[in-house]
Amino acid sequence: QPVLTQPPSASASLGASVTLTCTLSSGYSNSKVDWFQQRPRMGPRFLMRVGTGDIVGSKGEGIPDRFSVLGSGLNRYLTINNIQEEDEGDYHCGADHGTGINFVWVFGGGTKLTVL
Amino acid sequence: QITLKESGPTLVKPTQTLTLTCTFSGFSLSTSGVGVGWVRQPPGKALEWLAFIYWDDDERYSPSLRSRLTITKDTPKNQVVLTMTNMDPVDMATYYCVRRLNWGSIDYWGQGTLVTVSS
Repeated sequence: QPVLTQPPSASASLGASVTLTCTLSSGYSNSKVDWFQQRPRMGPRFLMRVGTGDIVGSKGEGIPDRFSVLGSGLNRYLTINNIQEEDEGDYHCGADHGTGINFVWVFGGGTKLTVL
Repeated sequence: QITLKESGPTLVKPTQTLTLTCTFSGFSLSTSGVGVGWVRQPPGKALEWLAFIYWDDDERYSPSLRSRLTITKDTPKNQVVLTMTNMDPVDMATYYCVRRLNWGSIDYWGQGTLVTVSS
């Protein structure tokens, strides 16, 4: 099953841009990854899915255009432009793999984004 | 509008069985491609997927917890129930109910319910 690796922390200034990375383990370069945002003391919410290129499908409900994704090799990127205070929180990536009894859904460790 | 809400005990004793109920609205588990499942998050730690159940009664479980988990659905009531046996303090976490559509993304989450395991 894939392992998803995320840096534990990131920071960006108000109004700036930041790119968060989710790295798949070797052999999973075709895997699609979901990005989730978790604001402080709240449940996660779905942002969007990314494959080996651009977004797969549609963004989650109410996700602004400031959020975008890109996939390249083993990396799946989430970029936030014009960062707002409300963007502070944890960002998680997740992916499914396998079928039948071998199905799993795995998450990365999450990246804590601080807005300066 | 799609919503999911978790309910169940906030405190269980070690070795007891945890039963959580997810009550959802805005969609039906009788619709092809729809799945509902559970994800948990220990305090300050990463998310961990537990189980899914699908419109066609297909069930999927985390390999590491399979022996302790059972997921069931009551389609007319729009409810999904998760049971976890032999609870341990390491199972203390916020448990989230989630929706998965067409074998794709987890696209909706409940607000979560914190379960403490202590004697």
